Amino acid sequence: EPEVTQTPSHQVTQMGQEVILRCVPISNHLYFYWYRQILGQKVEFLVSFYNNEISEKSEIFDDQFSVERPDGSNFTLKIRSTKLEDSAMYFCASGQGGSTDTQYFGPGTRLTVL
Amino acid sequence: AQTVTQSQPEMSVQEAETVTLSCTYDTSESDYYLFWYKQPPSRQMILVIRQEAYKQQNATENRFSVNFQKAAKSFSLKISDSQLGDAAMYFCAYRSSLTQGGSEKLVFGKGTKLTVNP
Repeated sequence: EPEVTQTPSHQVTQMGQEVILRCVPISNHLYFYWYRQILGQKVEFLVSFYNNEISEKSEIFDDQFSVERPDGSNFTLKIRSTKLEDSAMYFCASGQGGSTDTQYFGPGTRLTVL
Repeated sequence: AQTVTQSQPEMSVQEAETVTLSCTYDTSESDYYLFWYKQPPSRQMILVIRQEAYKQQNATENRFSVNFQKAAKSFSLKISDSQLGDAAMYFCAYRSSLTQGGSEKLVFGKGTKLTVNP
């Protein structure tokens, strides 16, 4: 069964450094999403991406964040200058789109900012 | 804005017994989708079951079923014949209908931690 994959599983970085989190969505999916979950808190939407552009973003997704689909398979989330409060689990999700869309999640990347 | 509330931070059940997890939501929309996701200790989010608001029939998926009460804005998950592998965090989530110009994002509740006792 196809699934969303994410790399790395765990990333440790120093405050102020740039990080890139990578995702490979399910191959026939057209809609891509990033969510994050700070430890002990609810899962929060960051951004959705369709047709090579952002279709929706949350207040969390400020200028420090960017997303890209550099080729036909990868979907990346970049954090330009990490802060301590960026420490969280980051989930990528993908879906086929349309009114009946279900979002399928990857295993997540745990980001630790020191 | 839509909100999702899970009032039970923790629940426990004996193996082979049945447990019901509660979820209520608030929305002014008439068409939407509701989901239950499971997050085991590995922390991967796994889709358990989904319900379309326009369908009166409650969704079922093997041992998992929902009780969808649209007027009450309630969406509970029933797990029958609980197994040790069901132990996880369970999240209820809401999504608008795209045909009504709604948001694509999932709105999650805070989750319910389910423990299954042998």
